[in-house]
Amino acid sequence: AQSVTQPDIHITVSEGASLELRCNYSYGATPYLFWYVQSPGQGLQLLLKYFSGDTLVQGIKGFEAEFKRSQSSFNLRKPSVHWSDAAEYFCAVALRTGAGNNRKLIWGLGTSLAVNP
Amino acid sequence: NAGVTQTPKFRILKIGQSMTLQCAQDMNHNYMYWYRQDPGMGLKLIYYSVGAGITDKGEVPNGYNVSRSTTEDFPLRLELAAPSQTSVYFCASSYSTPRYEQYFGPGTRLTVT
Repeated sequence: AQSVTQPDIHITVSEGASLELRCNYSYGATPYLFWYVQSPGQGLQLLLKYFSGDTLVQGIKGFEAEFKRSQSSFNLRKPSVHWSDAAEYFCAVALRTGAGNNRKLIWGLGTSLAVNP
Repeated sequence: NAGVTQTPKFRILKIGQSMTLQCAQDMNHNYMYWYRQDPGMGLKLIYYSVGAGITDKGEVPNGYNVSRSTTEDFPLRLELAAPSQTSVYFCASSYSTPRYEQYFGPGTRLTVT
């Protein structure tokens, strides 16, 4: 079955440390991949996306993600975390449904990031 | 450009009451969605619409109804509120596929007691 897995429910890092949030998907074809961030009490905001081309994509707020087809992964990284990065992070995959360009979005359950001062 | 707006921000309902959650977008997006978010459960799609007059069920449609009379508006109706509908509701919109990036509203926190 098509699915998105975020193995880490909760992660705590120190401010200034590097960060990697994992995302794995189960899908036979080339997916469209997204990372969203949700700050407390807010809606979701797109951090970055991958459709095709360069497998290392840059996003907002200093985040980047790398698509690895062989590992079915799209991990999110940031070299130096700031206290304001504390939030919930969601990975999502757009999967093709039937013929044509129609796709549906499958969401991971999220990873909650806490940042220690 | 306000993006996606939702009203109200908060609401408390008694069991059996009805209400409509409003959602509007000013980006001329064809696609609109309603999600609910429960702690530790991620986002669940309730209903979606691919254009005015066209709606379809998502993963968890029971207890909800939608309509899409205009491109801009996509209200979500709860007819007989139940405690299981206590949740945070998000409306989102996007251009037509394949550019499937979704833009989210700020959410409505609903409590049913």
